[in-house]
Amino acid sequence: DQQVKQNSPSLSVQEGRISILNCDYTNSMFDYFLWYKKYPAEGPTFLISISSIKDKNEDGRFTVFLNKSAKHLSLHIVPSQPGDSAVYFCAASLAFGNEKLTFGTGTRLTIIP
Amino acid sequence: EAQVTQNPRYLITVTGKKLTVTCSQNMNHEYMSWYRQDPGLGLRQIYYSMNVEVTDKGDVPEGYKVSRKEKRNFPLILESPSPNQTSLYFCASSLMGANTEAFFGQGTRLTVV
Repeated sequence: DQQVKQNSPSLSVQEGRISILNCDYTNSMFDYFLWYKKYPAEGPTFLISISSIKDKNEDGRFTVFLNKSAKHLSLHIVPSQPGDSAVYFCAASLAFGNEKLTFGTGTRLTIIP
Repeated sequence: EAQVTQNPRYLITVTGKKLTVTCSQNMNHEYMSWYRQDPGLGLRQIYYSMNVEVTDKGDVPEGYKVSRKEKRNFPLILESPSPNQTSLYFCASSLMGANTEAFFGQGTRLTVV
């Protein structure tokens, strides 16, 4: 029962263009969402997060959008750079007091120079 | 340097031989957790700990044990490893809980034959 889904296993984007990575979830009790980036042979690193009380959060080239009614979030990277080539995981957590963290299956992003 | 250290990085073992993967963090974080990464399944949480002597099951706890006797250490114990536990394991820590930025170790590649 995959509660957090990333339906695109891979995505290729031209350098300088926008990369859009998508994530869907099924549990309406999730109230906090995070994105992590992973390079080969390294542990994941935190990228950006968003609370369910917001619909958008920006940090430099990275913006996360949350659509609660559709149970969907997306990560926008503008402009895409070669160093952005990595696997991206979205993750979701429940309300404070239940500290489980559920990850999606990941999307491999390749930036084409 | 702030870090999460896992040992060993690589381990090949035989079915049924007890093993421990160590995890240590130097950031005085409250929350620590273990994940396994498998192809097509993303990252799945095994166990997490909110503080010393407080541990709880993640999504895939079967076959694993953990302990949190000190704040900085969170070892993962496989009492009787089986081939289906062959995986890439990550330890992570974060300041407060699942909602806060997690710092991951470099990973432990475990093979059970």
